[in-house]
Amino acid sequence: NAGVTQTPKFQVLKTGQSMTLQCAQDMNHNSMYWYRQDPGMGLRLIYYSASEGTTDKGEVPNGYNVSRLNKREFSLRLESAAPSQTSVYFCAISPGWSYEQYFGPGTRLTVT
Amino acid sequence: KNQVEQSPQSLIILEGKNCTLQCNYTVSPFSNLRWYKQDTGRGPVSLTIMTFSENTKSNGRYTATLDADTKQSSLHITASQLSDSASYICVVSGRDGNQFYFGTGTSLTVIP
Repeated sequence: NAGVTQTPKFQVLKTGQSMTLQCAQDMNHNSMYWYRQDPGMGLRLIYYSASEGTTDKGEVPNGYNVSRLNKREFSLRLESAAPSQTSVYFCAISPGWSYEQYFGPGTRLTVT
Repeated sequence: KNQVEQSPQSLIILEGKNCTLQCNYTVSPFSNLRWYKQDTGRGPVSLTIMTFSENTKSNGRYTATLDADTKQSSLHITASQLSDSASYICVVSGRDGNQFYFGTGTSLTVIP
């Protein structure tokens, strides 16, 4: 997963708490994505950013917000965490939609 | 509805044997199909990416085939190794915009 870093690696939150997941890349790609992965389900797109300064909703955006701070960084914020948001979160990057995606190592989040 | 289905859900094979994983999709219009390998606790890593005009693509011991007419793809692993133990995910992207459709993966276990 070289080129994409995610912090933190693990996090435990109580219901109602907020937190921000960070993603940074050193590959100078335009597009960045946030996914969640749950047991028995495929990866699902939460939000994406096609280029610096733009963000769009994916399949499951409710309960999340994002910020494309600059070309390198794309953060995902949970304003009021819920147990349903317990999941593994992956950041991915790509030069564009038709190209290969490179995934980060993931953040394992548990909400109690 | 755009869907990606993978089979089998899980597979156990002996080291050195070959195996084939299947991916059927209903995504239309179709842009490309990707196979990813995901080791436990890590992000997915791309194995192959094929457009609708490509029938086969190889990456070392991994060979992917695509039949765009029947909307089927397969991933063939030759001379399996213990390190091939992972989840293999099929991802189809549509030509209509910013959408990736993920299968739920096939969990492969290679035993000595």
